[in-house]
Formats: sequence, C-alpha cells, structure tokens
Amino acid sequence: DAGVTQSPTHLIKTRGQQVTLRCSPKSGHDTVSWYQQALGQGPQFIFQYYEEEERQRGNFPDRFSGHQFPNYSSELNVNALLLGDSALYLCASSLQGEEKLFFGSGTQLSVL
Amino acid sequence: GQNIDQPTEMTATEGAIVQINCTYQTSGFNGLFWYQQHAGEAPTFLSYNVLDGLEEKGRFSSFLSRSKGYSYLLLKELQMKDSASYLCAVENTGKLIFGQGTTLQVKP
Repeated sequence: DAGVTQSPTHLIKTRGQQVTLRCSPKSGHDTVSWYQQALGQGPQFIFQYYEEEERQRGNFPDRFSGHQFPNYSSELNVNALLLGDSALYLCASSLQGEEKLFFGSGTQLSVL
Repeated sequence: GQNIDQPTEMTATEGAIVQINCTYQTSGFNGLFWYQQHAGEAPTFLSYNVLDGLEEKGRFSSFLSRSKGYSYLLLKELQMKDSASYLCAVENTGKLIFGQGTTLQVKP
C-alpha cells in the first residue's frame, strides 16, 4: 500500500518563475493538505482540498494556488517565485473527519 | 493569535529518558499531535491527545493538560535512531498548527 507520494523530490527555479508540485494521497484518503517548511522551522499550513475544492487556507498570498483532481491527487502552484519561497513543501493526506495526517517526503524547492 | 513553543534543541544520552515540552496558545483546539521527523524525511505520526492525561505507546508517551495549554513527549530507553526533530502540533478545524520543532541529539 503506497503512502503519500510527491514529485519532484528536488527542484531549482529562478525568481519570477512558476512551479507546479504534485501529490498522490495515501490509498483510501480523500483530503489533501499542503504545508511549507522553512529550514529549521515547523511546517506552516498553506491550504486543504476536499471534493476538488479548497476548504481552508492559511496565511499565504494568492500566488499560491492549488487543485484537486477526481482521483484525489493534488497540485500546488506557486507563481512569481520569490527567494523566500525556498522551502520543503509537504503534502499530507487524510480521510475526511479523521484527524491523523500522513505526510509525504516533500519537494525541496530552491529559488535562486 | 496562534503560538506554540518548544525548545529548539536538546541533547540526551543513549539509554536515558528525555522529556520534550510544548506550550500552546491557540484560538481553537481539537487535539494535539506529536510527529517525528528525521532530516530529509517526512514527518511520521507518534501520538494524538484529545483528553487530559497520559497516553503510553511503547517507549513513547505523551501528556496533555488543556487547562494549562501544555503537553510533553516522553521518550524512554533512548536509542541512537531517536535523534531527530520532534514536532508539536495543535489541530484546529482540520488543519495543524506546528511549533518550530525540537532537535534531539542522542549521544552514546
């Protein structure tokens, strides 16, 4: 049973570019959340998707957007990249109504 | 506001016991999680406390006091593989609010 998978593992972009990160949830899960983890910090909630809709959003600008597909997989898009967007981006899946999150290994994004 | 505090770093000796504290002040509270994260890896679930008291699971135990806004993670019989970051997180309306994490170094 595959856990949460994310791609790519690492990514290098330059300022002003756009990036798309992908996530496949754990089998049987229907809810996907995205978190940003800066070096030496705890993860920060970006947003959560359920039934292909954004259900909750953290304190992130509109440059951060997402999507959930009918198969429950999800994408995180970041436009107009800034140096400060360099971080580990974690995807977590869960079953709606259950609290426990399962995390993927993340995508390490470096913005130069 | 949302505030979750943990010590930044701790060091302990193999075979010993260590307690990692977490205090929180959040606008909502449904429960408290502890996750373990090794460098470059995904956070993995350790415990979830909803009610006050101690939850024991093998070498790891977690305690919660909602009235005090306080939790701790207790690790017994420390092993070298326990060297990792330990994340305290408050669950609020389906999202997790994390502390900065505590980096634990276990020495021989």
